[in-house]
Amino acid sequence: EDKVVQSPLSLVVHEGDTVTLNCSYEVTNFRSLLWYKQEKKAPTFLFMLTSSGIEKKSGRLSSILDKKELFSILNITATQTGDSAIYLCALNDMRFGAGTRLTVKP
Amino acid sequence: DTAVSQTPKYLVTQMGNDKSIKCEQNLGHDTMYWYKQDSKKFLKIMFSYNNKELIINETVPNRFSPKSPDKAHLNLHINSLELGDSAVYFCASSQGVARVTSQPQHFGDGTRLSIL
Repeated sequence: EDKVVQSPLSLVVHEGDTVTLNCSYEVTNFRSLLWYKQEKKAPTFLFMLTSSGIEKKSGRLSSILDKKELFSILNITATQTGDSAIYLCALNDMRFGAGTRLTVKP
Repeated sequence: DTAVSQTPKYLVTQMGNDKSIKCEQNLGHDTMYWYKQDSKKFLKIMFSYNNKELIINETVPNRFSPKSPDKAHLNLHINSLELGDSAVYFCASSQGVARVTSQPQHFGDGTRLSIL
């Protein structure tokens, strides 16, 4: 059965720290892996990854996929309190992981 | 300019009642979805419609019935509500079926359903 496992489930850091969020998966027919950020309401799209080794970057956030080892990481550098959210990883078939709750303290 | 809008935002009702949640998207997408997010924040797909046709129907009790009058609208009707139905229900849309096209989804703000 296809599955998505995120770790850690929660993380507390201080402003300025760098964090790495993990997403491992098992899927029969891989097409893409997506990262979303969920603050108080709707999840919002961050990245879509389809190829191994190609880093996607947006400001302080970046993500990369390893299709051989079946995982992806989401990096956030110089964290800010506004980065506090739940970060969700999803496979193309709309299967979501349980999320990582990130709390950034001032 | 809300892209995906759901109504109502909050719904508090008693066990056994029937309720509906409405969703509309103005993005011109042809695929819409319903997700359930439980108290542990686990987001689980329930249904998906592509051009008004049901294409995904996960293991959901048949008390839940989606209806898509057109590709911009997807409503969810729930009969005989149970305590376990308490959750946040999210509507989403994408261009093409996410499973096939890998297009990201745009989510509504959710409807928080509380069963007393």
